[in-house]
Amino acid sequence: DQQVKQNSPSLSVQEGRISILNCDYTNSMFDYFLWYKKYPAEGPTFLISISSIKDKNEDGRFTVFLNKSAKHLSLHIVPSQPGDSAVYFCAASANRDDKIIFGKGTRLHILP
Amino acid sequence: EPEVTQTPSHQVTQMGQEVILRCVPISNHLYFYWYRQILGQKVEFLVSFYNNEISEKSEIFDDQFSVERPDGSNFTLKIRSTKLEDSAMYFCATGYRINTEAFFGQGTRLTVV
Repeated sequence: DQQVKQNSPSLSVQEGRISILNCDYTNSMFDYFLWYKKYPAEGPTFLISISSIKDKNEDGRFTVFLNKSAKHLSLHIVPSQPGDSAVYFCAASANRDDKIIFGKGTRLHILP
Repeated sequence: EPEVTQTPSHQVTQMGQEVILRCVPISNHLYFYWYRQILGQKVEFLVSFYNNEISEKSEIFDDQFSVERPDGSNFTLKIRSTKLEDSAMYFCATGYRINTEAFFGQGTRLTVV
């Protein structure tokens, strides 16, 4: 049962353009959402998060949008840079739970 | 910048052997986790640990698995009798607060042969 879904296994974006990574979730108890970035042979690196009381959080080139009614969140990266090429994991947690549930990840390729 | 450190980076073991994976958490963190990622699959939650006891565990974390923090600093994952399907990257993660971001180590690649 996939509680966090990333339906695009990969995405290619031109350098300098906007990258949009999407994520859907099914568990209405989730109240905290995170994006992690992962390079090969490394652990996931925390990127940005958003609480369910907000609908947008911005940190430099990274913005996360949350649409609670649609149970959907997205990560926008603008402008995209070569170093952004990595696997991006959407993740979520519920207030009562002491764990983070990950999606399967989207591999982002930034094209020169 | 503080980081979570895991040792060894790669462990090869024979099926049926015991392995211990080690993690040094970020110093002021109180919540500790183990996750694993089988090649090509998603990152899966194994167990969370707080106040010297397991706070939550997944179905994967059966009786073959155990965790402890024996000396108040290192956080370990023990697999008593390894199986071929235990081959995966094992990530330790730590956090300073519940229901917030966790910071991951670089992982230990476990290969069971």
